[in-house]
Amino acid sequence: DTGVSQDPRHKITKRGQNVTFRCDPISEHNRLYWYRQTLGQGPEFLTYFQNEAQLEKSRLLSDRFSAERPKGSFSTLEIQRTEQGDSAMYLCASSSTSGKTYNEQFFGPGTRLTVL
Amino acid sequence: AQKVTQAQTEISVVEKEDVTLDCVYETRDTTYYLFWYKQPPSGELVFLIRRNSFDEQNEISGRYSWNFQKSTSSFNFTITASQVVDSAVYFCALSGAFGNEKLTFGTGTRLTIIP
Repeated sequence: DTGVSQDPRHKITKRGQNVTFRCDPISEHNRLYWYRQTLGQGPEFLTYFQNEAQLEKSRLLSDRFSAERPKGSFSTLEIQRTEQGDSAMYLCASSSTSGKTYNEQFFGPGTRLTVL
Repeated sequence: AQKVTQAQTEISVVEKEDVTLDCVYETRDTTYYLFWYKQPPSGELVFLIRRNSFDEQNEISGRYSWNFQKSTSSFNFTITASQVVDSAVYFCALSGAFGNEKLTFGTGTRLTIIP
């Protein structure tokens, strides 16, 4: 399977704990995006990388959130001191900036975070 | 700022009926892209189509068709001869270009196909 993968699929944590999610994009894609989806809403953009460079961060991304893509391949999203409002589905997508499939963003299965 | 409106929150149709999902967008960009995604009960977003702002040709793929009209800023999606497997939440999304490719999603339309 060469699609986008995310790990873990589910995470339950207590308020105040730190959590880290991982995303493995489609191998030939140079762009990687993080989105967040809450119940009944469409996904909202959080941040994106082109190769290893983080090019944009949403105002939704408070200073408790940090994302990395150290070698331009997989990415991690860390949430420090989790709050109940962080409970959501965290989605990763990847795309290419060239060719016929330019900007076709393919999504992973998501990580569902529940903060108790 | 970019905005996508999907006014239909929920639609139910009987199997084999045709159904159209509406999408209206707002953008100041001259180059932009429009998307439709399907989110079945399993939760994973499935890419259906991407169109650019310079291509207003309607597109058909099997039972799916898309109607892009710049004059009304709409990008509607029609499913012909609906099937139970089409039941899902469908999202319309918009992106810019040249470094502004992040997606702005609508709130989705929940489609239920009644057998």
